[in-house]
Amino acid sequence: QKEVEQNSGPLSVPEGAIASLNCTYSDRGSQSFFWYRQYSGKSPELIMSIYSNGDKEDGRFTAQLNKASQYVSLLIRDSQPSDSATYLCAVKFTNAGKSTFGDGTTLTVKP
Amino acid sequence: GAVVSQHPSRVICKSGTSVKIECRSLDFQATTMFWYRQFPKQSLMLMATSNEGSKATYEQGVEKDKFLINHASLTLSTLTVTSAHPEDSSFYICTVQGLFRGTDTQYFGPGTRLTVL
Repeated sequence: QKEVEQNSGPLSVPEGAIASLNCTYSDRGSQSFFWYRQYSGKSPELIMSIYSNGDKEDGRFTAQLNKASQYVSLLIRDSQPSDSATYLCAVKFTNAGKSTFGDGTTLTVKP
Repeated sequence: GAVVSQHPSRVICKSGTSVKIECRSLDFQATTMFWYRQFPKQSLMLMATSNEGSKATYEQGVEKDKFLINHASLTLSTLTVTSAHPEDSSFYICTVQGLFRGTDTQYFGPGTRLTVL
């Protein structure tokens, strides 16, 4: 079992729809959770970080964390073609420790 | 967020040569930097943790004598790929770990694409 698991996709949604990306993790003691976006040929960029149960909203992005169920999700509202990318989930056991990344979910937003 | 630079952004070299990649944290002092490698259409693979003033910690399966890491200052870490071979061709990315807005976060450099002929 991988430490951080994501559906590889591809996930395809029409423009304007809500894209839902999911991530599960195996270490129950994990403390910090991150979503990164990676365009083809580019380095990942941080979109959201979340540390406590519940929802965290930033513009069109909402991260949801459920530590009891060991999952974290990312919702993208009003999806745009420019959101087409691979989304990486990352988990840290301690705040100062290294991140463990999932394999990523490829999202395609169709005009 | 943190500004992280890498140099060079792209390098092509002949098999057997050594290549040095620099990672700089431009706007804060980083005691810890991480080096990742990513092959096409594959996930990020952590190679090593670079700690300022001490030896790097390598992940299992990563040859420390082949991938030399030096973290000489709080703003600079270097990765040297020694005696590079075509199978070392990959996208090498460093990340800087730091405290922003009260939380510990990793920020990625733009990456260095290495092609070994």
